[in-house]
Amino acid sequence: GAVVSQHPSRVICKSGTSVKIECRSLDFQATTMFWYRQFPKQSLMLMATSNEGSKATYEQGVEKDKFLINHASLTLSTLTVTSAHPEDSSFYICSAGSAGSFYEQYFGPGTRLTVT
Amino acid sequence: KQEVTQIPAALSVPEGENLVLNCSFTDSAIYNLQWFRQDPGKGLTSLLLIQSSQREQTSGRLNASLDKSSGRSTLYIAASQPGDSATYLCAVRDSTLTFGKGTMLLVSP
Repeated sequence: GAVVSQHPSRVICKSGTSVKIECRSLDFQATTMFWYRQFPKQSLMLMATSNEGSKATYEQGVEKDKFLINHASLTLSTLTVTSAHPEDSSFYICSAGSAGSFYEQYFGPGTRLTVT
Repeated sequence: KQEVTQIPAALSVPEGENLVLNCSFTDSAIYNLQWFRQDPGKGLTSLLLIQSSQREQTSGRLNASLDKSSGRSTLYIAASQPGDSATYLCAVRDSTLTFGKGTMLLVSP
């Protein structure tokens, strides 16, 4: 199956700083990328969907100015958490899909963000 | 809005038992349903994907069924092993992919 990587796998940052998480599709062109957030013992919640070269579409309740998403190429999307606060601590998972397989998404291994 | 419910939330069984995990969804107009495995602190591993036109899919000791009209799916695990211990997530796709909260499975030796 298709492989999606995320970097870093874990990051600890201080409150007020910004953190960037990278998501890469390693062996296919990802026309669409998805960013999810998962709190402990909770389900994955979709934060935003981005198509290559376009602005991301954010889900209701997700602050677009706080969670900046860039999908500049068919193999790379980034999520930047700006001015992070402890309540942003969570597990962030990206997922990628290609135009040829719209109904299947391939998931990255996730990034654990801890804001102190 | 699609809602996905998984029962039970947690399950503990001795090794060797057969078990069933349940998933229900509120809107039957779906394209497919997918079962994932998630180990603690890790990402998702896709186990089985059932298209809306299919009734079941099998992979090794895993069998997933889909009854779209009633909004239900089951994941059957045969002869469970300690290595099966993980959280199992059900997700349905309509215009987006909606996840349940998962069933946390513990298989004890």
